[in-house]
Amino acid sequence: EIVLTQSPGTLSLSPGERATLSCRASQTISSAYVAWYQQRPGQPPRLLIYGLSNRATGIPDRFSSSGSGTDFTLIISRLEPEDFAVYYCHQYDGSNSFGQGTKLE
Amino acid sequence: QVHLVQSGPQVKKPGASVKLSCKALTYTLKNYYIYWVRQAPGQGLESVGVINPGGGATDLAQKFQDRVTITSDTSTSTVYMELRSLRSEDAAVYFCARSGVEVLSAASLYYKYMDVWGQGTTVTVSS
Repeated sequence: EIVLTQSPGTLSLSPGERATLSCRASQTISSAYVAWYQQRPGQPPRLLIYGLSNRATGIPDRFSSSGSGTDFTLIISRLEPEDFAVYYCHQYDGSNSFGQGTKLE
Repeated sequence: QVHLVQSGPQVKKPGASVKLSCKALTYTLKNYYIYWVRQAPGQGLESVGVINPGGGATDLAQKFQDRVTITSDTSTSTVYMELRSLRSEDAAVYFCARSGVEVLSAASLYYKYMDVWGQGTTVTVSS
């Protein structure tokens, strides 16, 4: 099973700042099979990005991602108040697994 | 707008079974894979398994293979997940989610990104 490790566990920033969230895989995965989700308290996850670089419907362009091989990054260019949540990376290259999450506070 | 509506909260004793449902609204169930993902209190997301609702093929994460059954009823647009021999560590919110990619064939089974999620069902395991 591919293990995804997200860092940092918690990221403390202010509105307007840039957030960089990392996701490292235990083995090489295709960037075409990486997704990112946002989860606010008491809500289900919401798809942000799939296929590494495709934003889901309604996701603003301040969200972007990049990476290849074993290292992937989610970037939020200018934080809005509603962006403070937990973020999960997800790989679906064959089987699937999730990272443990990064809390953005 | 696509919706997945899940059944209500469940309280079960250790050793019991629980069967959760996930009903697809506004789209044809058999056209998309359905995944089950759980989240223990304060924890991250854990994949349970997937079903091709039209063909019935399923795949389960290894740790669930002997305790979980996923089924579908296309006549009611509903997918079910049964978890047996409940333990305290099974206490979690269970989500169903739809694949972002349509089913390739009735026999196919793939892991894809999840574009629509149900609201979640809380399962409490307590004696």
